[in-house]
Amino acid sequence: DVVMTQSPLSLPVTLGQPASISCRSSQSLVSGDGNTYLHWFQQRPGQSPRRLIYQVSARASGVPDRFSGSGSGTDFTLKISRVEAEDVGIYYCMQSTHWPGTFGQGTKLEIK
Amino acid sequence: EVQLVESGGGLVQPGGSLRLSCQVSGFSIRRIWMSWVRHTPGKGLECVANIKGEGGDKNYVESVKGRFSISIDNANNSLFLQMNSLRGDDTAVYYCGRGWEMGVWGQGTTVTVSS
Repeated sequence: DVVMTQSPLSLPVTLGQPASISCRSSQSLVSGDGNTYLHWFQQRPGQSPRRLIYQVSARASGVPDRFSGSGSGTDFTLKISRVEAEDVGIYYCMQSTHWPGTFGQGTKLEIK
Repeated sequence: EVQLVESGGGLVQPGGSLRLSCQVSGFSIRRIWMSWVRHTPGKGLECVANIKGEGGDKNYVESVKGRFSISIDNANNSLFLQMNSLRGDDTAVYYCGRGWEMGVWGQGTTVTVSS
């Protein structure tokens, strides 16, 4: 199975400051169709995960534009340009290029 | 409104069975992939199984092959996960979701396997 490794696992951030989470995969996530199926999810306390970013950089409907995704191959990043209080939670990357889909360990974002 | 509502979780003894259901509204599952993902404190999030809407193609994670079976009811726009020979490490919150990429998640249903 593809191993997804996130860093950091804990991310204390001051309100209004930027934040960045790295996600690395153990093999390329470029699919045979040329697409890269790397996605980012946010899980707020007490809620189900929700998709923020799909296919590396496309924002899901309703996701604020302070969230952005980038990367290629095996190396990906989620950035929050200015952290707000509602961004507290756990962030996961996930690949669905290869079965089974696999998730990173999660990065817990908290406000300093 | 797009909504996925899971049900059927509960407490079951090792070796027992449960059938999870996912009622979908707001879109048709007939021609798309649907998935089950579980979340445990120890192993994190794990894709368990998925199925193509017309029922032809299915995938299972190795640890549940031969024990779990995924199915759909197109007429009722519902997804199911039949879980047999349950073990302690199947204890988790189980989510259904749209697509391989889990574009939409349900609220989850808790399965506890314990004697």
